[in-house]
Amino acid sequence: GAVVSQHPSWVICKSGTSVKIECRSLDFQATTMFWYRQFPKQSLMLMATSNEGSKATYEQGVEKDKFLINHASLTLSTLTVTSAHPEDSSFYICSARDASQGLNQPQHFGDGTRLSIL
Amino acid sequence: LAKTTQPISMDSYEGQEVNITCSHNNIATNDYITWYQQFPSQGPRFIIQGYKTKVTNEVASLFIPADRKSSTLSLPRVSLSDTAVYYCLVGDWDSGTYKYIFGTGTRLKVLA
Repeated sequence: GAVVSQHPSWVICKSGTSVKIECRSLDFQATTMFWYRQFPKQSLMLMATSNEGSKATYEQGVEKDKFLINHASLTLSTLTVTSAHPEDSSFYICSARDASQGLNQPQHFGDGTRLSIL
Repeated sequence: LAKTTQPISMDSYEGQEVNITCSHNNIATNDYITWYQQFPSQGPRFIIQGYKTKVTNEVASLFIPADRKSSTLSLPRVSLSDTAVYYCLVGDWDSGTYKYIFGTGTRLKVLA
């Protein structure tokens, strides 16, 4: 149980393109979803938190107009990197949690999306 | 800022038991301690979670002392495939949301 599916797993696109990444919880209700970014050999950096039906809360230094997050249902969240540039190239990972079940519910992570902007 | 501190790296040999200790001095009363494993180019995978004393599952054990200011992940008889980064996490309340802030993790290398 507790499977999170992230799609696509790998994207290569030209500078200036907008890219959408999907994150789905397959067998549980994801009341809260998180988006992380990870550079090579570094730890995961939290970008934003979204609760279903609410606007996302962004961490300091993360541009909300650059990284658009939508969490319109209990099983789906999307991250859109708008007008992507080479410096946006990174590994993006989503996670999901059923917060309604209490603090002992861990986050479950997707397998990440490798984004390469040429 | 991450609420946990771990050794940056560890080496071990196949078949040995590996213990990774994590410090979380400011853990809150209702925080759980959760450990994840991450392989390159994959998302973190849940290993084990506990609140106090000892928790054991099919892959690991988690030891938490009474003061809960630290915890130790124990991996019995590691194999080469256990080479990965291990993260210890406790939650953090911010703006009404309970979330994880990742620290550096411990890079475990298992040698033949």
